[in-house]
Amino acid sequence: DTEVTQTPKHLVMGMTNKKSLKCEQHMGHRAMYWYKQKAKKPPELMFVYSYEKLSINESVPSRFSPECPNSSLLNLHLHALQPEDSALYLCASSQDSSYNSPLHFGNGTRLTVT
Amino acid sequence: RKEVEQDPGPFNVPEGATVAFNCTYSNSASQSFFWYRQDCRKEPKLLMSVYSSGNEDGRFTAQLNRASQYISLLIRDSKLSDSATYLCVVKGDSWGKLQFGAGTQVVVTP
Repeated sequence: DTEVTQTPKHLVMGMTNKKSLKCEQHMGHRAMYWYKQKAKKPPELMFVYSYEKLSINESVPSRFSPECPNSSLLNLHLHALQPEDSALYLCASSQDSSYNSPLHFGNGTRLTVT
Repeated sequence: RKEVEQDPGPFNVPEGATVAFNCTYSNSASQSFFWYRQDCRKEPKLLMSVYSSGNEDGRFTAQLNRASQYISLLIRDSKLSDSATYLCVVKGDSWGKLQFGAGTQVVVTP
């Protein structure tokens, strides 16, 4: 069982919808991440939060808006998405963002944009 | 040139056999290295960190060759449950940023 919990597991949304993905961890990790993964490709980094502050935004379109309400929670707000945004969205956490902290992934939200 | 490269496979391995594959990285300043496994339509799961002196976890052995800039993973006595995609992950000089290889697919057959 994963110690990083993501909800929902599956999401279908239209291009005009607004939805949010949620991620929670209780391992005391201080770095949290959003990744996007397309079929047969490796995960692509979207955002990194370190100590609840956004530290990396990999030039992600503004239709994706991250939020870190506290050290245990990470949200990804979605608005006006495109069909090509359909993918597996993975949340991850690590003890911190130092070199030796491996990532622990949640089981992902499979998003379909219609 | 990609920062992290892996042979995509598939490596078809009879049950009980040994399989090994490498991952090369381009940034000589890379500091940390990990192997993850990912099952179809599931999240990546940490298999093992890779240490400079090499390390072993049960049937899995990881090695780091800094001179040639590659890491390797060896699986002994392969089980059907070892069938997965193995992702090489390298953490370099960018704070918080990891580089993922595209993965090596391993298929263990009865």
